[in-house]
Amino acid sequence: EVQLVQSGAEVKKPGESLKISCKGSGYSFTSYWIGWVRQMPGKGLEWMGIIYPGDSDTRYSPSFQGQVTISADKSISTAYLQWSSLKASDTAMYYCARRVTTKGGADYWGQGTLVTVSS
Amino acid sequence: QSALTQPASVSGSPGQSITISCTGTSSDVGGYNYVSWYQQHPGKAPKLMIYEVSNRPSGVPDRFSGSKSGNTASLTISGLQAEDEADYYCSSYTSSFHVVFGGGTKLTVL
Repeated sequence: EVQLVQSGAEVKKPGESLKISCKGSGYSFTSYWIGWVRQMPGKGLEWMGIIYPGDSDTRYSPSFQGQVTISADKSISTAYLQWSSLKASDTAMYYCARRVTTKGGADYWGQGTLVTVSS
Repeated sequence: QSALTQPASVSGSPGQSITISCTGTSSDVGGYNYVSWYQQHPGKAPKLMIYEVSNRPSGVPDRFSGSKSGNTASLTISGLQAEDEADYYCSSYTSSFHVVFGGGTKLTVL
């Protein structure tokens, strides 16, 4: 059974750093893209970027380039999303999702990680 | 403002059919057959319902169908059921080598 299991909810202060994770199981982790999606409170979905764990090829959506870092450790089948300096506007639910290609749909999703940034 | 335009809300009665539109441009919806549709219930992760315009993943009821004409893609749900009440999002590959979502449509089953 394909599963993406994300790390737990986080509460951080502005300016702090954070790294959240997404562990894949039940499939060949290095053969599919993993993407990250932001959903701000009461708002819609936004693709942030994707990574191919097989060779760490990473692509960022223009709005998120330079704002976050996406990485992966294929030895433990885990993808990461990290911030070096959080802002209150980073408060959102973050989902990881598996994609077969860079162009197509995301067929499996993690349960989401809620990040709250507040002073 | 989202790259793809969806109606904010649609509604229908049980058993009826509804269609949700997703309008883009020739640089996204109209230019590629990489339109997907997702269903999201409150507090849950999105679920893929349609990929590559009209294909259903295994396990998705055939009441859900997708199509495209020009720069507009559509999701049709026939035989509406109470459990179909959710938010629906379209997405498309773009000429900028990214995938973008629509703003989302809230489906209410009356």
